[in-house]
Amino acid sequence: QVQLVQSGAEVKKPGASVKVSCKASGYTFTGYYMHWVRQAPGQGLEWMGRINPNSGGTNYAQKFQGRVTMTRDTSISTAYMELSRLRSDDTAVYYCARDVSAGCDLDYWGQGTLVTVSS
Amino acid sequence: DIQMTQSPSSLSASVGDRVTITCRASQSISSYLNWYQQKPGKAPKLLIYAASSLQSGVPSRFSGSGSGTDFTLTISSLQPEDFATYYCQQSYSTPVTFGQGTRLEIK
Repeated sequence: QVQLVQSGAEVKKPGASVKVSCKASGYTFTGYYMHWVRQAPGQGLEWMGRINPNSGGTNYAQKFQGRVTMTRDTSISTAYMELSRLRSDDTAVYYCARDVSAGCDLDYWGQGTLVTVSS
Repeated sequence: DIQMTQSPSSLSASVGDRVTITCRASQSISSYLNWYQQKPGKAPKLLIYAASSLQSGVPSRFSGSGSGTDFTLTISSLQPEDFATYYCQQSYSTPVTFGQGTRLEIK
């Protein structure tokens, strides 16, 4: 069965970076785009970008351009999202989600990783 | 960016009720519209894709309709497990955008 298992919660200081991992199993990792979506406490869903695990190609939301980097390691079926120059308003749960069709239809989601940015 | 607007933002209903949630796009998105359900502390779950296609394993009481700019999610007979927050999402173009959510509460 398809599973996306994310790394554990993080606490970071403002200005630091965080790298969240998402390990995929149960399907061919390189066959499906992976998206990253975040959700601030009590707020809605915000798309950050996506990566093509086959080519490594990425699309980022304009809001995060220059601060976000999405990578993957196909040898261990794992996608990564690194966010730099963290601010307090980056405090959120970060989700990875599989794109079933390369058409931005997100059928499987990780359990989420809480990133807290606090001095 | 395409803006997605849901209404209502919150809704109180009873078990057995028929409920409809609306989503409007700021421009035509054809049928590139998905619906998700999210329960507290959990990841979103895909319910409906391509405006009206039921995701595998989702109960048939959920249905979606619409095209262009106006879409609806209908739950034909609310069950206790349906009380959650629902989000629409356009998959027409990047950046992917979501509606602000509709919180469905027990009356």
